[in-house]
Amino acid sequence: QQQVKQSPQSLIVQKGGISIINCAYENTAFDYFPWYQQFPGKGPALLIAIRPDVSEKKEGRFTISFNKSAKQFSLHIMDSQPGDSATYFCAATLGGADGLTFGKGTHLIIQP
Amino acid sequence: EAGVVQSPRYKIIEKKQPVAFWCNPISGHNTLYWYLQNLGQGPELLIRYENEEAVDDSQLPKDRFSAERLKGVDSTLKIQPAELGDSAVYLCASSLRGGSSDTQYFGPGTRLTVL
Repeated sequence: QQQVKQSPQSLIVQKGGISIINCAYENTAFDYFPWYQQFPGKGPALLIAIRPDVSEKKEGRFTISFNKSAKQFSLHIMDSQPGDSATYFCAATLGGADGLTFGKGTHLIIQP
Repeated sequence: EAGVVQSPRYKIIEKKQPVAFWCNPISGHNTLYWYLQNLGQGPELLIRYENEEAVDDSQLPKDRFSAERLKGVDSTLKIQPAELGDSAVYLCASSLRGGSSDTQYFGPGTRLTVL
């Protein structure tokens, strides 16, 4: 069964700190790895995504690190802010437009 | 540009009753997805459409769930009859296959409560 395993389940970080969420996947055919952010009562929204031909992608305070050999990827949120408090999901898919396989999510709380 | 629209936003029904959810994707998006999100979990794909064709419905419980996407635009997901375990958020997403981005855009979801 295709799976994406995400950790930690919950995370508390002080304002200004670095939030780190990790994911591991099993299917080596996956070729698109997005991170989604979800606020209560809202649908998931794309935060940042990466393909396996690069090891790192940065957009503002958000960085994805990708380790193809270990089949792992992580999200780093620099200078974490209270507005970043949300649930974060990693996901993976074949071919981009195929259905996403999501991790179980990380509930992130940024304390002021 | 309007996002993915879903209705209703909330639905409460008794078990064994039928229920339907409606989705209007982003204009021009040829691919439409229905996902199920249980409380505290990530979304799980139910069905994916390419235009009018259901190209991946392997995870759709076909004994009670059905979906359609007439004319390749709007889509309806139906449950008949609903069971207690169907209580969840039903998310619709859309994307433009063949476009410059693979981004799937999600609607706000329909929260279903089965009593």
